[in-house]
Amino acid sequence: GESVGLHLPTLSVQEGDNSIINCAYSNSASDYFIWYKQESGKGPQFIIDIRSNMDKRQGQRVTVLLNKTVKHLSLQIAATQPGDSAVYFCAENDGNDMRFGAGTRLTVKP
Amino acid sequence: GAVVSQHPSWVICKSGTSVKIECRSLDFQATTMFWYRQFPKQSLMLMATSNEGSKATYEQGVEKDKFLINHASLTLSTLTVTSAHPEDSSFYICSAILSGGNQPQHFGDGTRLSIL
Repeated sequence: GESVGLHLPTLSVQEGDNSIINCAYSNSASDYFIWYKQESGKGPQFIIDIRSNMDKRQGQRVTVLLNKTVKHLSLQIAATQPGDSAVYFCAENDGNDMRFGAGTRLTVKP
Repeated sequence: GAVVSQHPSWVICKSGTSVKIECRSLDFQATTMFWYRQFPKQSLMLMATSNEGSKATYEQGVEKDKFLINHASLTLSTLTVTSAHPEDSSFYICSAILSGGNQPQHFGDGTRLSIL
């Protein structure tokens, strides 16, 4: 079946380094993608989104890259800070349903 | 903007009790609200989609009579876990969107439900 998944369940980085979190999707009809950050005991928080007519979008310290050819999505966090430690979910939307990936836990070491 | 408030944040109750969880969009009118369940170290599992003024659409495997959803207004949806049992213990999260189409869902901070 079609699914959204993540390459790495956990990622540990040094404070100040850049982080890259990857996500693979298989629904070719998906045209809208979102990254969420979820801290312990809280709901997911919107980080950044991208539509299928774009391949890159930048926010504050974050960049999302979309490669529709290989159905791959990534979230890049620049100068990772301890406050970035959380679980990150990608989500895809085909106009009807939104599906979430399994999540990647990012740990930032001081 | 786009703040979603969920209440209560934490509930502990005895087996057999019914528990109501509220989800409110504070600064926008939400045409659609969603209810999710999340187990530890897992992703969000969609339980149902709720549109204002109509019956909720439940995902396969989710018991409609167990998880009652009411979406009486554009700013409020409620989830009632009826006759809760220990296996219903979980983290329940709601979300809301402004309108249909490709929009991000805005999430509440979840409700931790513990059934003794």
